[in-house]
Amino acid sequence: NAGVTQTPKFRILKIGQSMTLQCAQDMNHNYMYWYRQDPGMGLKLIYYSVGAGITDKGEVPNGYNVSRSTTEDFPLRLELAAPSQTSVYFCASRKGLAGFSYEQYFGPGTRLTVT
Amino acid sequence: GENVEQHPSTLSVQEGDSAVIKCTYSDSASNYFPWYKQELGKGPQLIIDIRSNVGEKKDQRIAVTLNKTAKHFSLHITETQPEDSAVYFCAASIDIAGGTSYGKLTFGQGTILTVHP
Repeated sequence: NAGVTQTPKFRILKIGQSMTLQCAQDMNHNYMYWYRQDPGMGLKLIYYSVGAGITDKGEVPNGYNVSRSTTEDFPLRLELAAPSQTSVYFCASRKGLAGFSYEQYFGPGTRLTVT
Repeated sequence: GENVEQHPSTLSVQEGDSAVIKCTYSDSASNYFPWYKQELGKGPQLIIDIRSNVGEKKDQRIAVTLNKTAKHFSLHITETQPEDSAVYFCAASIDIAGGTSYGKLTFGQGTILTVHP
C-alpha cells in the first residue's frame, strides 16, 4: 500500500490564482480530512468527508472547497489564492467504522506559498 | 468547540534523560487522545493514543497518562535517543460509535523536542 499520497509537494501561487491539491489513499478508508499547518502552530481542520459524496466544513474552511466523488480521492480546491493561505497542507484518512482503529494516517504534505 | 493547550513549546534534553510533554483540553466530552510525531519534511505519525476509559498506556519507552478530572494528559519518553528529536503534537477528539463527530481532531500547538547526544 502507498498509504496517503499528496501532489504536488511544493507550489508557488500568485495572489488570485487557483489550484487543486490532490490527495489519494489506497487503504479503503471511509473518512478523509484536510488540515493546514502554519509555522509554529498545530494542525487546523479545513474540511472532512465521511464517504463518497459527503463533505463538511472544519474549523477554517473559508477560501477552500472540496469534493469526494470516489472513496480514494479527496481533492482540495483553492479559489482566488491569498497570502493568508501560505501554509503546509496535510491530507489524512482513517477507517471510520466502529471497531476499527481510530488512527488517522497522514500524507507527506504540500507546501504552498502565495505571493 | 474543543481547545487543546500544549506545553512546553520547546524541550531540550540530554540523551538518556526523560522527556515529558503536557496537554490540557477543554471539552469534557472528548474521549480519544492521540500523540503524533512529526519529523522534518514529513507528515505526522501516530506514536501512541489513549481512550478515556484508561488512565495510562505504555509502549516500550513511551507512555501516556490521562487525568479526566483535571482534563489533562501527558506524554512520557524515557531513555531518550537522538532519533526521538522531532515535533510532537497532542490532540483530542470525541469518538463515539454512531456519533457525528467523525473523529475530527483538535491539535495542540506542538513541542519541538531536541535530544543532545
